[in-house]
Amino acid sequence: AQSVSQHNHHVILSEAASLELGCNYSYGGTVNLFWYVQYPGQHLQLLLKYFSGDPLVKGIKGFEAEFIKSKFSFNLRKPSVQWSDTAEYFCAVNAGYGQNFVFGPGTRLSVLP
Amino acid sequence: DGGITQSPKYLFRKEGQNVTLSCEQNLNHDAMYWYRQDPGQGLRLIYYSQIVNDFQKGDIAEGYSVSREKKESFPLTVTSAQKNPTAFYLCASSIGGQSRQYFGAGTRLSVL
Repeated sequence: AQSVSQHNHHVILSEAASLELGCNYSYGGTVNLFWYVQYPGQHLQLLLKYFSGDPLVKGIKGFEAEFIKSKFSFNLRKPSVQWSDTAEYFCAVNAGYGQNFVFGPGTRLSVLP
Repeated sequence: DGGITQSPKYLFRKEGQNVTLSCEQNLNHDAMYWYRQDPGQGLRLIYYSQIVNDFQKGDIAEGYSVSREKKESFPLTVTSAQKNPTAFYLCASSIGGQSRQYFGAGTRLSVL
């Protein structure tokens, strides 16, 4: 069965610090990869996705993620975080048609002003 | 995201009671999903449906039931067999089984 792990449960950063949230998955075949964000009191929304092509994908609000197939990883990055980035971040994997989405346990990011 | 409406926002269940959570979408999506979100565990799939009149169990289907009689509706019933129903329930939809998912605002269920 597929599984998704996220390295950190809770990350605390000061504004302007750089961010990297780890995501690893266990599936040997072709995968579609997603990062979702849940701001306090709001819906889960898509940050970015990778289906194929350039392994460095850019999303909304200055976020980007790099797919490294050999490491089964899809880490999320942002060069300079803002207080408004405080949220919970979920990595998700879908292994193709007919397969479920599998979500990681989430990483809570707190950005101190 | 707009287009998916979950109701009610808060729901309380008494012991031995079945309760039904509503999920409606106007996005014309074929696939719909129900997740349970617990602190530190992320989203766990309860049931999903890729087409009308068909649905499949997810990872934690025990104590839950669903129906998919209409494309736009995918209600979830939390039965009395679900011994630990207190959680945040999220409904989602997607165009197809691999596409990005759109989420509703969620229903928070508590036990009285």
